[in-house]
Amino acid sequence: LAKTTQPISMDSYEGQEVNITCSHNNIATNDYITWYQQFPSQGPRFIIQGYKTKVTNEVASLFIPADRKSSTLSLPRVSLSDTAVYYCLVGEIILTGGGNKLTFGTGTQLKVEL
Amino acid sequence: GAGVSQSPRYKVAKRGQDVALRCDPISGHVSLFWYQQALGQGPEFLTYFQNEAQLDKSGLPSDRFFAERPEGSVSTLKIQRTQQEDSAVYLCASRMGTGTSGGGTDTQYFGPGTRLTVL
Repeated sequence: LAKTTQPISMDSYEGQEVNITCSHNNIATNDYITWYQQFPSQGPRFIIQGYKTKVTNEVASLFIPADRKSSTLSLPRVSLSDTAVYYCLVGEIILTGGGNKLTFGTGTQLKVEL
Repeated sequence: GAGVSQSPRYKVAKRGQDVALRCDPISGHVSLFWYQQALGQGPEFLTYFQNEAQLDKSGLPSDRFFAERPEGSVSTLKIQRTQQEDSAVYLCASRMGTGTSGGGTDTQYFGPGTRLTVL
């Protein structure tokens, strides 16, 4: 499984755009990049997933350069409620008999202030 | 619809006691996972079920940990003779299918977790 590296923490203010970059130098051809969000006392929640270029949904955008050795989660106009831990995960897309267990790192603690 | 639920939400045990943690996955979800999350760390995989079959238990830290899903729905994680190092949040996740289908990884939906404290 590809190892991921992301900043331990980030601070921002309401209304700003936040970009969290994750490095995954050993990403394999079959790997997707997935981001989860976790609030205190809750389980992680899926945010977005991509394979290459750019993916956008109602919550965030995910930018993946051509070499796929890094990815950037972009949160537009954050609010206080976006304060959470954000995890970058890299995993296989091919079903190999079940599993696809998720491998989390320590994540990035995002703190949004007024 | 209802999400993944876990009970109890909090459990305090004395060292040496046995505990049982319950997970109710989303109805109809085939796959079920257990994770352990220590304070300040990301979740770590424990075990995986596809229906009632336990296909991967490589993450269980010792033979004191046992998981079951006898009817392919509700699952129980049992920890025997608890130790202080077992203190953590235990998360359950379920997934509709058995994995990927060429379009990315089938999303795992997590429950709120059970916080276990061993004194």
